[in-house]
Amino acid sequence: EDKVVQSPLSLVVHEGDTVTLNCSYEVTNFRSLLWYKQEKKAPTFLFMLTSSGIEKKSGRLSSILDKKELFSILNITATQTGDSAIYLCARAGGTSYGKLTFGQGTILTVHP
Amino acid sequence: NAGVMQNPRHLVRRRGQEARLRCSPMKGHSHVYWYRQLPEEGLKFMVYLQKENIIDESGMPKERFSAEFPKEGPSILRIQQVVRGDSAAYFCASSPRSGGNQETQYFGPGTRLLVL
Repeated sequence: EDKVVQSPLSLVVHEGDTVTLNCSYEVTNFRSLLWYKQEKKAPTFLFMLTSSGIEKKSGRLSSILDKKELFSILNITATQTGDSAIYLCARAGGTSYGKLTFGQGTILTVHP
Repeated sequence: NAGVMQNPRHLVRRRGQEARLRCSPMKGHSHVYWYRQLPEEGLKFMVYLQKENIIDESGMPKERFSAEFPKEGPSILRIQQVVRGDSAAYFCASSPRSGGNQETQYFGPGTRLLVL
């Protein structure tokens, strides 16, 4: 079965801290790696990564993919309380073209 | 450009009843996906549909669950004879027909099903 593993499962930091979230995946028929942020409702899209070593940035968030070592990281600098959420990593491909296989998520809590 | 729409947002059913969940994809999107999120668990793929076609239903339970995406109208996820274990959040996502972002799936707000 396709597998995506995220770490840590939960993280508590203070505003202004920098955090790094990890995601490792299995390689079978890999197509892309996606990051989502989930608050109390729908997961909202953050990044899609297909190429190794190319960093994607959006404001204080950035992400990079390492296809050799089969992992991705999501960095958040100068965290704010509004960054508190579950961060989900998902891979596209595997045994089925259209299917996203999600990790269990990292629960990030940012205290003032 | 409206996002993915799902309704109802909350649904309460008694054991043995039927649940119908509806999803309208984003404008211009022709691929629809259904995922289920059980309490304290991650999102699990259920089914992938295009108009009038089921492309991949490998994540659907073998009994009581069905999905369709007709030529006209929303996609429907139907759960017959619901049991308490069906209580979960059901998310629909859609993606464009083609192009570089074909694999980026955009999620709706979900339907939270509670079976009493």
